[in-house]
Amino acid sequence: GAGVSQSPRYKVAKRGQDVALRCDPISGHVSLFWYQQALGQGPEFLTYFQNEAQLDKSGLPSDRFFAERPEGSVSTLKIQRTQQEDSAVYLCASSIGQGASYNSPLHFGNGTRLTVT
Amino acid sequence: AQKITQTQPGMFVQEKEAVTLDCTYDTSDQSYGLFWYKQPSSGEMIFLIYQGSYDEQNATEGRYSLNFQKARKSANLVISASQLGDSAMYFCAMSPFSSGYSTLTFGKGTMLLVSP
Repeated sequence: GAGVSQSPRYKVAKRGQDVALRCDPISGHVSLFWYQQALGQGPEFLTYFQNEAQLDKSGLPSDRFFAERPEGSVSTLKIQRTQQEDSAVYLCASSIGQGASYNSPLHFGNGTRLTVT
Repeated sequence: AQKITQTQPGMFVQEKEAVTLDCTYDTSDQSYGLFWYKQPSSGEMIFLIYQGSYDEQNATEGRYSLNFQKARKSANLVISASQLGDSAMYFCAMSPFSSGYSTLTFGKGTMLLVSP
């Protein structure tokens, strides 16, 4: 596709439910990132993949958060036993090279807005 | 740890005027990249401009330029000839060498409103 695609666009979950958020990066992009953006804040880093390898998961807020990219393309962010504080927009980004640089800027999707009630 | 500070929650500018959005950063890394992103109401983050810490010249991309003052740890975005479509949130971000340039740290953003 032309850009990074995320689904669903909106997700409402009851507290305690599990959710799965999908990200389709730009074809051929090596790096994939997940960010969490709370209302009125800048995005905060969650995790980073280089192909299928998860090289950095230091931003995942708890062990309820899990991300995978098994074939080095599509990625899924899973949140188990959702809590109200998980309500946010979850942004996925990809870049053609390793990490973020002038010749490998991050391209973001439109995000998934998660609301936990 | 890295920190990005954007002190202007909101800025107003008239169409066709220039505007400067402030960004200061804090890092112990000597090598890093600085980015500006635009986020319209649709939610997508749009890459605008990049400046490397060792670049001697300020970056420019069309109507966007980055006023990089390394000693002051400042990376202000200048938008010339503002257009109505420039109304959006603007985020400054940094990627340090110590993370392998893999982690972008964002500021809280500045909301820019362009009036006719």
